[in-house]
Amino acid sequence: EAGVAQSPRYKIIEKRQSVAFWCNPISGHATLYWYQQILGQGPKLLIQFQNNGVVDDSQLPKDRFSAERLKGVDSTLKIQPAKLEDSAVYLCASSPKRESTDTQYFGPGTRLTVL
Amino acid sequence: EDQVTQSPEALRLQEGESSSLNCSYTVSGLRGLFWYRQDPGKGPEFLFTLYSAGEEKEKERLKATLTKKESFLHITAPKPEDSATYLCAVQFWGGGTSYGKLTFGQGTILTVHP
Repeated sequence: EAGVAQSPRYKIIEKRQSVAFWCNPISGHATLYWYQQILGQGPKLLIQFQNNGVVDDSQLPKDRFSAERLKGVDSTLKIQPAKLEDSAVYLCASSPKRESTDTQYFGPGTRLTVL
Repeated sequence: EDQVTQSPEALRLQEGESSSLNCSYTVSGLRGLFWYRQDPGKGPEFLFTLYSAGEEKEKERLKATLTKKESFLHITAPKPEDSATYLCAVQFWGGGTSYGKLTFGQGTILTVHP
């Protein structure tokens, strides 16, 4: 079974530029998560989708971050405009269904550097 | 505020030297406690889920245990390939729509020397 796919793996941009990350979850997984992991810290949830609806985006900086999950499968996370403090690894995870104790499986992440 | 704290921040062991990592949490109602392993440049890899105090799970040289306020990850006779960052995460009841949210600790960086 293929795992969670993410692209690109690395991205370097200058502040005030925009960037987008893509995630393809494990086939059949209804729930998709985006986490931000700053160097030396654990991942922090940005947004959670159940199928194509947003369940929790309370920690998403909505003035600059946006995310969508079209047709309940792939998802895109966008930052516009980027700030220096956005430098981090952006992790996508998916889990099979609605039950919160389902295991979340993570992709390899996208490492963003903002100069 | 729900918090998850891991200790130590870093641990260096000799091959074969057993030890334990700690994850303490302050949450109002635990749904599940998760252990992940993260290698440099990779995403977290699932190891265990624990649901109730007294529960234990094992996988190769790793054993996870859970009490009402903390979890331990015991590493028996570690090998260099066990070197990684070990992350603990908690899901809690009463999160409203955030029922899937994982709250992570900062991780323990384990280095096992041959």
